[in-house]
Amino acid sequence: KNEVEQSPQNLTAQEGEFITINCSYSVGISALHWLQQHPGGGIVSLFMLSSGKKKHGRLIATINIQEKHSSLHITASHPRDSAVYICAGNAGGTSYGKLTFGQGTILTVHP
Amino acid sequence: EPEVTQTPSHQVTQMGQEVILRCVPISNHLYFYWYRQILGQKVEFLVSFYNNEISEKSEIFDDQFSVERPDGSNFTLKIRSTKLEDSAMYFCASSDTLGKAFFGQGTRLTVV
Repeated sequence: KNEVEQSPQNLTAQEGEFITINCSYSVGISALHWLQQHPGGGIVSLFMLSSGKKKHGRLIATINIQEKHSSLHITASHPRDSAVYICAGNAGGTSYGKLTFGQGTILTVHP
Repeated sequence: EPEVTQTPSHQVTQMGQEVILRCVPISNHLYFYWYRQILGQKVEFLVSFYNNEISEKSEIFDDQFSVERPDGSNFTLKIRSTKLEDSAMYFCASSDTLGKAFFGQGTRLTVV
């Protein structure tokens, strides 16, 4: 059974701090997605990665395939970054596209 | 950026009634999904749909649920005889061959 575990569950930061959210996943997951969910409930896809590192603005996602671990970093955090960040694993193959979700990390950035 | 559209944004229904949740996926996508999120819990996979048929479904997706792509643009989730425990946020998603998923804003279903 594919599993995805995130830490921490809750994270509070001051504006400007560097933030890291971690995700571990089980064998069988071939790609990792990082998603953002705002209080209204909508989900936005931030990254999909199966190797290496991706960067978009102040967001950086990395993945270590050998260790089955991924991290999402936010540089120079801002109150508007406050949201739930979710990692989700993609099994691929016949389960193409089906995502197994982590519990989410609730990030609050204070001004 | 193209987006997935879901309607309605909020639906309240009486227990035992049937509901249809509607989604318009991104037009050139081939893979479609429904997920649900019960309040306070993680998002759960319900069903995936490709080439006009279900490609995979979870154990949650029992005979009470059905999906359809009636006209080549809409993708619907029907829930027959709703139960209180069906109350959740339902998300539609679509993806292309590269696998990045695009999610709709969700439909909040409340069964009373």
